[in-house]
Amino acid sequence: GDSVTQMEGPVTLSEEAFLTINCTYTATGYPSLFWYVQYPGEGLQLLLKATKADDKGSNKGFEATYRKETTSFHLEKGSVQVSDSAVYFCALSDLGAGGTSYGKLTFGQGTILTVHP
Amino acid sequence: NAGVMQNPRHLVRRRGQEARLRCSPMKGHSHVYWYRQLPEEGLKFMVYLQKENIIDESGMPKERFSAEFPKEGPSILRIQQVVRGDSAAYFCASSALQMNTEAFFGQGTRLTVV
Repeated sequence: GDSVTQMEGPVTLSEEAFLTINCTYTATGYPSLFWYVQYPGEGLQLLLKATKADDKGSNKGFEATYRKETTSFHLEKGSVQVSDSAVYFCALSDLGAGGTSYGKLTFGQGTILTVHP
Repeated sequence: NAGVMQNPRHLVRRRGQEARLRCSPMKGHSHVYWYRQLPEEGLKFMVYLQKENIIDESGMPKERFSAEFPKEGPSILRIQQVVRGDSAAYFCASSALQMNTEAFFGQGTRLTVV
């Protein structure tokens, strides 16, 4: 079955540091890939997505590139802020394997990011 | 436009009781998804519903769990005879009619079984 693996956390950084959160996946079909963010006390919000190989999703200074050859979708940000502290989830939706919509997602375990001033 | 509304936010039940979790999708959304997040784990898909229909329940436990999305009113996730292992955060998401559209998540219901 489909699966998503994220780097072990938690991640602690100083403000303005470079961020990378690794994500790799296995999928039966040709999935779409997503990063979701969960701020304390809130639900998950879509951060960015990519639907085909070599697509780059970007939002709020975050970006991730769909790498089919390495089955990866690593999240990066050049300069993090304290307000970026949250839990980040990598996810996939495998419509090609009979998935019914982007709402049926397979999630990684989440990575807690803490940014200090 | 209000987001996906879940209630209650926190629910405490004794072992053997029933838990009913409610989810009101965003206005105009007709697709609802339920996910469960166990401690230290990611979200796991449970069930996908459209109005009055269960489309995909491949992630639902075979016993004690059921879900509905009636023509009127919120979607309900029902857990009968709860056990300690049911303690988790339950998230609902909704999306619009078109297949390739983003799902929006609610804030979740944290169920604690004592």
